[in-house]
Amino acid sequence: ETGVTQSPTHLIKTRGQQVTLRCSSQSGHNTVSWYQQALGQGPQFIFQYYREEENGRGNFPPRFSGLQFPNYSSELNVNALELDDSALYLCASSLWQRYGYTFGSGTRLTVV
Amino acid sequence: AQTVTQSQPEMSVQEAETVTLSCTYDTSENNYYLFWYKQPPSRQMILVIRQEAYKQQNATENRFSVNFQKAAKSFSLKISDSQLGDTAMYFCAFNNNAGNMLTFGGGTRLMVKP
Repeated sequence: ETGVTQSPTHLIKTRGQQVTLRCSSQSGHNTVSWYQQALGQGPQFIFQYYREEENGRGNFPPRFSGLQFPNYSSELNVNALELDDSALYLCASSLWQRYGYTFGSGTRLTVV
Repeated sequence: AQTVTQSQPEMSVQEAETVTLSCTYDTSENNYYLFWYKQPPSRQMILVIRQEAYKQQNATENRFSVNFQKAAKSFSLKISDSQLGDTAMYFCAFNNNAGNMLTFGGGTRLMVKP
């Protein structure tokens, strides 16, 4: 079975721009979550999608938005980029949360 | 809101020895799930072990085991026979009963020395 894949692996954007990050969930998983991991810190929950509906959101402003598609892949969109948005963005998928999440290798976003 | 605390920013252990990583959490929920994840330099979070709060028996996965103390809200990870490949960041994580978010601790950097 394939794992979680994310694209791109690295990205450099200018402050004020918009960015879209993509995630393909593990086969059979219907839930996708996004996390932001600043350097040297633990990941912070952004939001989760279950069957194309948002199913929980962390303490992130509305300029962070997402989508989940019928094939359960997902996008994370960030508008009006700020320098503090520079981080590793992790996507995780699951079928039953009690069994844990499968993570991708992340997208390293640098905002200059 | 739940919080997860890992009080050891860095630890080191000699190859083949045993090391224990600490984790405490705070929650008002009775049913929840706890996990330890490993993050090597490749950046991918890898699930090491999981524990369901309603199970009193401590989880074990090969060389990895946990000491789950529900009343004390403690969830430590023991790595036996440490290997060089165990070198990584280790994160403790809490999953609420609704299962819609993981709350992570700040991580412990483990170095296994030859």
